[in-house]
Amino acid sequence: QITLKESGPTLVKPTQTLTLTCTFYGFSLSTSGVGVGWIRQPPGKALEWLALIYWNDDKHYSPSLNSRLTITKDTPKNQVVLTMTNMDPVDTATYYCAHRREDSGSVWYFDYWGQGALVTVSS
Amino acid sequence: EIVLTQSPDFQSVTPKEKVTITCRASQSIGSYLHWYQQKPDQSPKLLIKYASQSISGVPSRFSGSGSGTDFTLTINSLEAEDAAAYYCHQSSSFPLTFGGGTKVEIK
Repeated sequence: QITLKESGPTLVKPTQTLTLTCTFYGFSLSTSGVGVGWIRQPPGKALEWLALIYWNDDKHYSPSLNSRLTITKDTPKNQVVLTMTNMDPVDTATYYCAHRREDSGSVWYFDYWGQGALVTVSS
Repeated sequence: EIVLTQSPDFQSVTPKEKVTITCRASQSIGSYLHWYQQKPDQSPKLLIKYASQSISGVPSRFSGSGSGTDFTLTINSLEAEDAAAYYCHQSSSFPLTFGGGTKVEIK
């Protein structure tokens, strides 16, 4: 059974750095084809993809946020960490991590999602 | 960046009615299009993968079709529990993108 859970601060001040941790169970980031992504959703708005890390430590970032994001993994701890610098009130959102499942080669999708962590940016 | 445009933004539907949601991609994405359902205060749930492939545990009234740039999610015989927002998502190329969502309300 795959589960993921996001953890981190619920409130950050403008200009601060946000650090979110995704702790997962039921799979390993040492398994070929596996990945973990981060997606966010401002209140009442649509989903926005942020970053993705693979089993082999390859990474992809949203171009619009690339300069502010860092995604890393701690395979033994079954954790993926996302940091976002220079937080702004527009970054207020629920942040989700999700499991990347690869059926074959380039054929993949997010199949399991965490419950989400609401982060509010306010002074 | 591949832009996904969903329509309609909102739909109010009576139970047992058929619902059709469309997702148009700004360029061809083959079948790398997936559909998610998000109920209020819940995380997204995978409904359909690769445009038309069913997911274990998802009711058979949910189906998907399309390829290239035009895709459709169909809910046959809508049930009250289907009240939710529905999102399309492409994994054809980076950056990954989602549609703007379609909110389905039960009359």
